[in-house]
Amino acid sequence: EDQVTQSPEALRLQEGESSSLNCSYTVSGLRGLFWYRQDPGKGPEFLFTLYSAGEEKEKERLKATLTKKESFLHITAPKPEDSATYLCAVQGNAGGTSYGKLTFGQGTILTVHP
Amino acid sequence: DTEVTQTPKHLVMGMTNKKSLKCEQHMGHRAMYWYKQKAKKPPELMFVYSYEKLSINESVPSRFSPECPNSSLLNLHLHALQPEDSALYLCASSQDIAGAGQETQYFGPGTRLLVL
Repeated sequence: EDQVTQSPEALRLQEGESSSLNCSYTVSGLRGLFWYRQDPGKGPEFLFTLYSAGEEKEKERLKATLTKKESFLHITAPKPEDSATYLCAVQGNAGGTSYGKLTFGQGTILTVHP
Repeated sequence: DTEVTQTPKHLVMGMTNKKSLKCEQHMGHRAMYWYKQKAKKPPELMFVYSYEKLSINESVPSRFSPECPNSSLLNLHLHALQPEDSALYLCASSQDIAGAGQETQYFGPGTRLLVL
């Protein structure tokens, strides 16, 4: 069974204070690892898809990296508008019935203070 | 454009009511999904449609009935719901359910459902 663990559960940063969020996973053959941002009461907003160890993707102040066991979401010089819940999800390769299934972590609640 | 739209934004219904949630995408995606999300929890998969056919039902109670009239539309029919069904209902779509680069799911804004 695929499993995803995100840490920390909550992170409070000062504006400009860079940090990283962690997503550890176990999966039977990784088809993809996904990062989403979710604001309260809204749907998750897609950020990145990573497919293989060593892959990196960047978007503005965010950079996602992937190893065989975990992914990091690095936030450089965050701003208050980066405050949100960040969700990590994996899609495994367990066979036909797993297609379309994402296994989500519990999320990291990020708060950036001005 | 990666937009998925959902209507209504908010819905209040009694336990004897029948209502429907609607989801639409015009990205040419062939896979569509319904999720349920409770407060402070991640989204929980309910149904997956692939090429307009139901491919996954995550043992969802029959008071939730999905329908995919065409490749752009997805409905969720609600009947005799319980208060514990109150949640944010999310629709998502992807190019396909399999195939490198085609599985990324894009979510709509959700429908906030309250069952009284």
